[in-house]
Amino acid sequence: DGGITQSPKYLFRKEGQNVTLSCEQNLNHDAMYWYRQDPGQGLRLIYYSQIVNDFQKGDIAEGYSVSREKKESFPLTVTSAQKNPTAFYLCASSPDRTGHTDTQYFGPGTRLTVL
Amino acid sequence: QKEVEQDPGPLSVPEGAIVSLNCTYSNSAFQYFMWYRQYSRKGPELLMYTYSSGNKEDGRFTAQVDKSSKYISLFIRDSQPSDSATYLCAMVNAGNNRKLIWGLGTSLAVNP
Repeated sequence: DGGITQSPKYLFRKEGQNVTLSCEQNLNHDAMYWYRQDPGQGLRLIYYSQIVNDFQKGDIAEGYSVSREKKESFPLTVTSAQKNPTAFYLCASSPDRTGHTDTQYFGPGTRLTVL
Repeated sequence: QKEVEQDPGPLSVPEGAIVSLNCTYSNSAFQYFMWYRQYSRKGPELLMYTYSSGNKEDGRFTAQVDKSSKYISLFIRDSQPSDSATYLCAMVNAGNNRKLIWGLGTSLAVNP
């Protein structure tokens, strides 16, 4: 089955700790994205990558870092510098590398809670 | 003013009703329009994709775009309890590196 997987589904973190959220896709898509979703605020873009070994900041990149060493993988690290990390994190991919292409396919999400 | 406005609801309807979900936008550079459905604690899934003014139908779903009024709609006919979800509109700003702009989503409950 082709698709996007995210792990873990639920993640708990103590204040001051870094955590890494996994995102893997086997759709052979070039572009991958990370969003966070908070109640009443919709989807906000954190980082995106259009090609391996390259990525750009989105609208709310502060306190986050990413890597894109393989086409199928785009992990997100939530660092201790992120002041309010409790949220639902969504990874997406799209087949077109030329921009923020039209159709994005989403993973099931990771819910991060800071204790 | 946000680029895309979407009433968050919640919207509650009886089973079998026709549902109308709407988004307005301010930027005439938006060219492509999408509707996504998101069930609770799940990722969004694409429902409809349109790029021109007019209607596009897929089963019980109809997407409508009115570029002159900067207004898009999603109609759901014969609504079912399984349609209970949050519906997000999204659109592509072709003039800004084709960045995808999202509405906040409308929460819909279809009651049996």
